[in-house]
Amino acid sequence: DTAVSQTPKYLVTQMGNDKSIKCEQNLGHDTMYWYKQDSKKFLKIMFSYNNKELIINETVPNRFSPKSPDKAHLNLHINSLELGDSAVYFCASSHLGLAGSNEQFFGPGTRLTVL
Amino acid sequence: AQKVTQAQTEISVVEKEDVTLDCVYETRDTTYYLFWYKQPPSGELVFLIRRNSFDEQNEISGRYSWNFQKSTSSFNFTITASQVVDSAVYFCALSVPNRDDKIIFGKGTRLHILP
Repeated sequence: DTAVSQTPKYLVTQMGNDKSIKCEQNLGHDTMYWYKQDSKKFLKIMFSYNNKELIINETVPNRFSPKSPDKAHLNLHINSLELGDSAVYFCASSHLGLAGSNEQFFGPGTRLTVL
Repeated sequence: AQKVTQAQTEISVVEKEDVTLDCVYETRDTTYYLFWYKQPPSGELVFLIRRNSFDEQNEISGRYSWNFQKSTSSFNFTITASQVVDSAVYFCALSVPNRDDKIIFGKGTRLHILP
């Protein structure tokens, strides 16, 4: 009964490969996010989807493509992986529009290592 | 633009000492939310507190307390009688509702509690 789950937890792959990270939330939230945490622990938002619609797209290379098949899922697909993509990727969800809210619940993170 | 500054990169204290983690934020909006998250060595992000800009009352939760001062744009976090289990990276964060609802994180403060 995990609230926000991500798979896989660890991902090791070669440069140039294409990989996906999956995220699912069972909280009934309408908004989901992807954050990247680099080796210096700096957390930065990448994307946000509300009701399957993209609402935030930070300056992320277009090799990164989020896909939201439904409100409960937001997957992250990465093409042509580069060394600099190595990081921990966190998925989060919240209920946008609730006055006084925006408490975001985070998944456990996916540690991506590109060799 | 919104910004969160955590000037203390790393702090070490001996167990049972009190420690305060500083957070200074910048925003031109009058309505905003402030957060603290904890990231223990296991890597997950744990929500600690959310505060809205209209509520300047300080909050205490067990050994944790938060001091919100709009006059200095600060939202400091104090741990009283620290314990080794408090060792973690602590993130202060800011979000502005009715925009894109993204959370802007500070760079984090790594706290070491020495036995």
